[in-house]
Amino acid sequence: EAGVTQSPTHLIKTRGQQATLRCSPISGHTSVYWYQQALGLGLQFLLWYDEGEERNRGNFPPRFSGRQFPNYSSELNVNALELEDSALYLCASSRTGLGYTFGSGTRLTVV
Amino acid sequence: TQLLEQSPQFLSIQEGENLTVYCNSSSVFSSLQWYRQEPGEGPVLLVTVVTGGEVKKLKRLTFQFGDARKDSSLHITAAQPGDTGLYLCAGGHNAGNMLTFGGGTRLMVKP
Repeated sequence: EAGVTQSPTHLIKTRGQQATLRCSPISGHTSVYWYQQALGLGLQFLLWYDEGEERNRGNFPPRFSGRQFPNYSSELNVNALELEDSALYLCASSRTGLGYTFGSGTRLTVV
Repeated sequence: TQLLEQSPQFLSIQEGENLTVYCNSSSVFSSLQWYRQEPGEGPVLLVTVVTGGEVKKLKRLTFQFGDARKDSSLHITAAQPGDTGLYLCAGGHNAGNMLTFGGGTRLMVKP
């Protein structure tokens, strides 16, 4: 069974640009979660998608947005990038919610 | 906002020593999960506990969920260099399959 895949692995952007991160969940998982992890510390919840709908979002500004496609893959968009957005962005999928399977993340660097 | 506090934040020990990591909250969680994360990778689920007072063992790792389902501990016996990593606890909510993560404990086991 293929795990959660994220692309790209690394992304370097200039302040003010837009970044698009992609995630493919495990087959059969309908829920996709996005988290931001700065400096190798704890994870901050960004967005939760299930069955194509945004179910909840964390305490992040509106320039963080995303969507989930009919095949349950997901996209995270970050507009008007700021230096503080530099972080590891993790995507996870779940079927029951009792345990997440994470991807390896996208390392976003804003210069 | 339901917060999870982990302690200690950093722990450096010698191979063969025992250690305990704590995860505390003032809120009740429907489940508590522990993850381990290595550099450049996403967190990997170690265990899920759902019943107050529950104890689970995974080889040299012992996980306990507090009776009131507000706290948890992870005890490692005879730590090995391969145990090195970032340990994260995460509390589950009844509504929404979402997880709230603690700030993490960075463990280094020296040979």
